[in-house]
Amino acid sequence: QVQLQQWGAGLLKPSETLSLTCAVFGGSFSDHYWSWIRQSPEKGLEWIGEVTHSGSTNYNPSLKSRVTISVDTSQNQFSLDLKSMTAADTAVYYCARLFIVGPIRILDYWGLGTLVTVSS
Amino acid sequence: EILMTQSPASLSVSPGERATLSCRASQSVSSNLAWYQQRPGQAPRLLIYGASIRAAGIPARFSGSGSGTEFTLTISILQSEDVALYYCQQYNTWSITFGQGTRLEIK
Repeated sequence: QVQLQQWGAGLLKPSETLSLTCAVFGGSFSDHYWSWIRQSPEKGLEWIGEVTHSGSTNYNPSLKSRVTISVDTSQNQFSLDLKSMTAADTAVYYCARLFIVGPIRILDYWGLGTLVTVSS
Repeated sequence: EILMTQSPASLSVSPGERATLSCRASQSVSSNLAWYQQRPGQAPRLLIYGASIRAAGIPARFSGSGSGTEFTLTISILQSEDVALYYCQQYNTWSITFGQGTRLEIK
């Protein structure tokens, strides 16, 4: 059974950088892609980006200039940095496994989510 | 970016009845569509992928259909545990996008 455990600061000031980490337990870390998604009342679910075990990344074009997703295969962990945070970035942030086979790209295991609030 | 539009925004159905949720893509996504269920206070849970393939452990009362731009999630014999938000997600392009969700309530 795959489990994802995520952590990071939940309250930020405008212009600060969000940093979240997700640890993966169970399954094969190197066989999959790993993703971050956020959810807000205004925008619903929004895919942020993905990373492979080798560190290759793809990002949502709307966030690409501010996002970095990195991986630490020695710890079976991956991380999200989102800089220049504003109130519009207030959301619940989820980490998830991105299962990719052929054309299939689905999020089959999710972390519990971290509520991130941006406020001065 | 492919825009996903779900309807209705909310739906109230009696226990034991059928619920039908719709999802429309702004351009064809072939069968590259998934459905997720999000119960209150929980993370989303994968229900369906490939437009009609149930994920592991998903009850048979959940079924998906459609291709191209029009998709349907049907929940037959609605149960109280099915109260949730339901989202569609396209993966026809590497940049994943979701619908805005349909809230399903028990009448």
